Amino acid sequence: GENVEQHPSTLSVQEGDSAVIKCTYSDSASNYFPWYKQELGKGPQLIIDIRSNVGEKKDQRIAVTLNKTAKHFSLHITETQPEDSAVYFCAALMDSSYKLIFGSGTRLLVRP
Amino acid sequence: DADVTQTPRNRITKTGKRIMLECSQTKGHDRMYWYRQDPGLGLRLIYYSFDVKDINKGEISDGYSVSRQAQAKFSLSLESAIPNQTALYFCATGETQGAQGEQYFGPGTRLTVT
Repeated sequence: GENVEQHPSTLSVQEGDSAVIKCTYSDSASNYFPWYKQELGKGPQLIIDIRSNVGEKKDQRIAVTLNKTAKHFSLHITETQPEDSAVYFCAALMDSSYKLIFGSGTRLLVRP
Repeated sequence: DADVTQTPRNRITKTGKRIMLECSQTKGHDRMYWYRQDPGLGLRLIYYSFDVKDINKGEISDGYSVSRQAQAKFSLSLESAIPNQTALYFCATGETQGAQGEQYFGPGTRLTVT
């Protein structure tokens, strides 16, 4: 069935370093790939997304890349700050049903 | 005010009780969703609705029911709560036109079934 795999499950980096989270998806018809950030006690918040007609999108310190041939996409955070510490979820939109399938999440810890 | 609100934010209940979780939105979106979050399992879709007369089962609908009372309101019911329904529950909304796929989440309800 439709599936999104996310790695790693936990990631610890030093403040100022970069962080990369990777996801793979199974449905080749997927055409929309959002990333969500969830802080403690809050709901997931959309931070960046990419559609299948582009290969990369950047917004200040965060960027997302998409490789449709390999069916994987990645979140890149540069110059990490302690406030980047949170759980990050990737997702893929199943085009036929307009449902989002989520990865299992990555807990990012940025050490001061 | 928040665009997507959920009530209650926390609830402790006993096995066998009926529970209703409510969601309201002021974003004017047609689509509304209920998700469940368990540690290490991400977000799993329980039910979704694309308009007031449309209700669809998600991947884990057993033991749950929903009601779309109006465009802005979507409630989730547990008819007879059981301990393995202890989880975080999130409501989300999304557009039909324009930015399809984007979803906006409420703050969540933490439900504990004892």
